[in-house]
Amino acid sequence: DTGVSQDPRHKITKRGQNVTFRCDPISEHNRLYWYRQTLGQGPEFLTYFQNEAQLEKSRLLSDRFSAERPKGSFSTLEIQRTEQGDSAMYLCASSLVSGATYNEQFFGPGTRLTVL
Amino acid sequence: KQEVTQIPAALSVPEGENLVLNCSFTDSAIYNLQWFRQDPGKGLTSLLLIQSSQREQTSGRLNASLDKSSGRSTLYIAASQPGDSATYLCAAGGHTGGFKTIFGAGTRLFVKA
Repeated sequence: DTGVSQDPRHKITKRGQNVTFRCDPISEHNRLYWYRQTLGQGPEFLTYFQNEAQLEKSRLLSDRFSAERPKGSFSTLEIQRTEQGDSAMYLCASSLVSGATYNEQFFGPGTRLTVL
Repeated sequence: KQEVTQIPAALSVPEGENLVLNCSFTDSAIYNLQWFRQDPGKGLTSLLLIQSSQREQTSGRLNASLDKSSGRSTLYIAASQPGDSATYLCAAGGHTGGFKTIFGAGTRLFVKA
C-alpha cells in the first residue's frame, strides 16, 4: 500500500458546475477525513467517516457539499453549483482508531480546485 | 471551541542552527497533538504524533513536546538543513465538541545555506 491517494490532482471548472473528488485511504484505516485548505492557512475540517458512517460535519459544509463512503473504503466529495469561493485545496486523510487510541492521520496529495 | 495558534508565522535561520517552533491550543481536552510538514502545493507529511498521555516524541533530528496543562507543544529541530525549509503545522485532536482535528496556520521555515 502506497498511502492515501486522491483523484484528480487538479480540477478547473466554471462557476455553477458540479465537481466530484475521490479519495482512497490506506486500506486498513477505518477513519477518513476531508479538509479544505486555502493559501496561507492550515487545513479546515470538513467531515469525517468512521467506516461507512459520516459522524461529523463542519458548519463549513454547506448544502452544496456532500460526502459519501459507501462501503467503508474510498470516499467521494461532491460540490454542486460551484462558486469562486470554493477554490481551494481539498485534502483527504485516513487513520486507524482502535479503542481509545487515535493514531496519526496520513494525508493524500490533495485536489486543487479552481473555479473560474 | 478549540483554537490553535502557531508562533512565529515565519522564520528564517542559517543552516546548522537549532530552532523551536511553538504551538498553543485553548482546549486542553485533546486526545493527541500531531506535527506535520507541508511543502508548497503538496499534501501534509506526518512528522510526530504525541498521544495525550505522553510528554514528548522524538524522530531523528526532531523532538516534539506536549504540555496539556498549559496548552502548549513545541517542535525542536536540531542542526537545521536547507531541506528542512517548509511549512510546519500542528494539529490538535479534540475530545470536547466532537472529534474534529483543528490545525494552526503553520510556521513557514526557511533555512539558508
